[in-house]
Amino acid sequence: DGGITQSPKYLFRKEGQNVTLSCEQNLNHDAMYWYRQDPGQGLRLIYYSQIVNDFQKGDIAEGYSVSREKKESFPLTVTSAQKNPTAFYLCASSTPGEGYGYTFGSGTRLTVV
Amino acid sequence: GEDVEQSLFLSVREGDSSVINCTYTDSSSTYLYWYKQEPGAGLQLLTYIFSNMDMKQDQRLTVLLNKKDKHLSLRIADTQTGDSAIYFCAESSAGRRALTFGSGTRLQVQP
Repeated sequence: DGGITQSPKYLFRKEGQNVTLSCEQNLNHDAMYWYRQDPGQGLRLIYYSQIVNDFQKGDIAEGYSVSREKKESFPLTVTSAQKNPTAFYLCASSTPGEGYGYTFGSGTRLTVV
Repeated sequence: GEDVEQSLFLSVREGDSSVINCTYTDSSSTYLYWYKQEPGAGLQLLTYIFSNMDMKQDQRLTVLLNKKDKHLSLRIADTQTGDSAIYFCAESSAGRRALTFGSGTRLQVQP
């Protein structure tokens, strides 16, 4: 079955540490997205990529970095510059077509310890 | 900038209808979406409506769009306990980089 896989499901980060969240899709979608979800705040866009080897900052990109070397993969690195990284991170993908709807992964919950 | 707003909480009894409302500001919106999120999970696309439509029905779900007032609603008929979740409204427009999501409405279904 096609879908998006995020790993790990839970991640713990120490102060000053960089961590990388994985996102892989086998839907042959061109575009991929990273969102951050905090309670009561909905989803906020971190980075997005519409094509391989290209990506753009979203609304809250500071303290995060991404790469898009393969169509299937869009990893997100949470750097030590991100002062409040504890959140639920969601990856999504889409392709042009009716509705332009997103397919979401199951999320990674990151906690700073 | 673009904005999508929803009320935060709705409580209904099992078997009743639920109506979740959403307002948006972008008059150039092309598609509007409803997503469902269960605890600890990603978002699942429930339904969407094109901006030139007024209504769309899909089994127990009815979407109403008032483009003049920029108001979108999702009606769930015969609400079940399994419908308890957070429901997100989202909108897109041509040339925009990504979907804009509301803050989500938590639906609680009481037996």
